Parts: sequence; structure tokens; C-alpha cells
Amino acid sequence: QSVLTQPPSVSAAPGQRVTISCSGSSSNIGSNYVSWYQQLPGTAPKLLIYDDNKRPSGIPGRFSGSKSGTSATLGITGLQTGDEADYYCGTWDTSLRAHVFGTGTKVTVL
Amino acid sequence: EVQLVESGGGLVQPGGSLRLSCAASGFTFTSYAMTWVRQAPGKGLEWVSAISGLDVSRSYADSVKGRFTISRDNSENTVSLQMDSLRVEDTAIYFCATLSYVQFDYWGQGILVTVSP
Repeated sequence: QSVLTQPPSVSAAPGQRVTISCSGSSSNIGSNYVSWYQQLPGTAPKLLIYDDNKRPSGIPGRFSGSKSGTSATLGITGLQTGDEADYYCGTWDTSLRAHVFGTGTKVTVL
Repeated sequence: EVQLVESGGGLVQPGGSLRLSCAASGFTFTSYAMTWVRQAPGKGLEWVSAISGLDVSRSYADSVKGRFTISRDNSENTVSLQMDSLRVEDTAIYFCATLSYVQFDYWGQGILVTVSP
């Protein structure tokens, strides 16, 4: 049972914007950095966002991250068909002393 | 270019053992903690274990503590996961990944472990 909650799915038309929420608690999101991962079908996850809102080299500016209190959000603008994937948030849980991931969100481009 | 290549997966009976390996290249191996993350069929990601760059610390998820052992060979740039007393619920794709503080920067392609009678 994951300690980070995400919506199961979100969808939008090409070119539109979607946001994915990640809800946690004071022992995880509230006190540690959040990262986001994209998992295209049949492939390994890929780091999209780290330290709440930083993008690794090569990740387009269409992807953005933010955090407020015990929740984090991933935003994707200018949605493309190639963005269809599962997205996961992740962080460290100080109480559990474990790395934790969100439940995952499937993004569908209509 | 960073490369992580897992090996050693396969089919094993409940109660059996398996050893996974991950060969790393393209970066200074000792500068990174290494970790294993797994994904059961059709399910989400689950962190399994981590080991620091110089093997000063090792950590495990409660679900595998006492059954799995992580290790690394810094002379060979490899990290391993010894899995004992395997259970059906350990069936998953196991990913090797680099770990920087709390984010998993680079991932291998994954290796399938199936535990079945």
C-alpha cells in the first residue's frame, strides 16, 4: 500500500495541459524533496523532475514540478501523443526510513 | 553515456534463491549510491534496497528485510541483489538504478524474476 496518492488517470487533447497531483504527509513530501518519473509502455522509468522542480538535462521545459505542504504536482503543457505513459512521484519517508513511490497516473492523449 | 545492465533473472520455485547483477558504465561508480526497484506485473514501483557508494550503509524495504542482501564490487562496477526465501509475491521486473539523495537518476532496462511452483 503506497503512502503517496495519485489519481489513477488523467487525459487531455493534444496541445492541452494536464496536471498530476501527489498527496503525502509531513513525514515524506512535507519534509523531503519530490521527484517524478515517466514510464513509457514496456520501458524503464525515466527521471523527469528532481528536487521538487528541477529538470535533468534533456527534459523539455513542457514538464514542470511544484510542491506545497504535503502535496506535489507535475504539470505537462503542449501535450503530445508521445507523452502517453505512466507517471510516478517519489520521495523519502523519514518515518518509514524508506524510499516511497506514488500509486501512479496514466496519462492519455485524446 | 550511462549504462546499467541487469542480469540473473529467471524462474524459481517458492523458497528458492536467485542472484541479480547490474553492470554499470559511463559514470564514476563510487560517486553514486545504487538501488534496486521492482515492479510487479501491472502494478506500480516499489523500492527494494539501496547501498551507498563506498558500501558504508545498506537499507532494505520491510517486505524483503532478512531475505534479500545487496552488495557492490567497486573494482568491477557491479551491484548485486542476493534473493533468498523467495515468495510468489516477489515476482516482478527488477530495475537497477543510481540514487542521488532521494531521486533515481538512471535506470537499467529491468530483468524479470518469476517465483512460481
